[in-house]
Amino acid sequence: GESVGLHLPTLSVQEGDNSIINCAYSNSASDYFIWYKQESGKGPQFIIDIRSNMDKRQGQRVTVLLNKTVKHLSLQIAATQPGDSAVYFCAERRINAGKSTFGDGTTLTVKP
Amino acid sequence: EAGVAQSPRYKIIEKRQSVAFWCNPISGHATLYWYQQILGQGPKLLIQFQNNGVVDDSQLPKDRFSAERLKGVDSTLKIQPAKLEDSAVYLCASSSISGTALSGANVLTFGAGSRLTVL
Repeated sequence: GESVGLHLPTLSVQEGDNSIINCAYSNSASDYFIWYKQESGKGPQFIIDIRSNMDKRQGQRVTVLLNKTVKHLSLQIAATQPGDSAVYFCAERRINAGKSTFGDGTTLTVKP
Repeated sequence: EAGVAQSPRYKIIEKRQSVAFWCNPISGHATLYWYQQILGQGPKLLIQFQNNGVVDDSQLPKDRFSAERLKGVDSTLKIQPAKLEDSAVYLCASSSISGTALSGANVLTFGAGSRLTVL
């Protein structure tokens, strides 16, 4: 079965607000967790990753939080823009496996 | 840097027919992946190549799907015969590093995908 899954299939936010997309995972053996963004008609695009021994990692306007106690991670997008509208996927990777395993996505809609 | 190229972008066939998809990864990327993405779902790995060798094909339906990467560059994914449930987007991705502890190994660069409709 799936090792990662999103909490909500859809999320709608107002432009300028912060967005939080949540993901749960089941496999404690995951070494990395990765967030991808997929726009309509395109392939997924890497956003940010976090190693399993970290709690937080920040990028440009994005922050990923990892809570290993409850096997939960989140992607926070600051000051959400219309261009952030897309489907967001969390994925996990084990170093010795190489591949990334994706969950089903959350569709983020940004209202102007 | 040129991205991952895939063709065709769209293909419509009838069940039991055959189809082939082509992928040209980013130059120098040793690892190539084929994922299947059914509408409304996340991508599911079909096969992973490291250069011209298969690393993982455990989820590839080998009775109808085949893939090759003969010279360690381009790759072809074939379906024969196609079934209705094969309707999906077939995504090719590549990465420069595989199976290491480096964060960069997580960066898969995807092509735009080939959308298959089986009637």
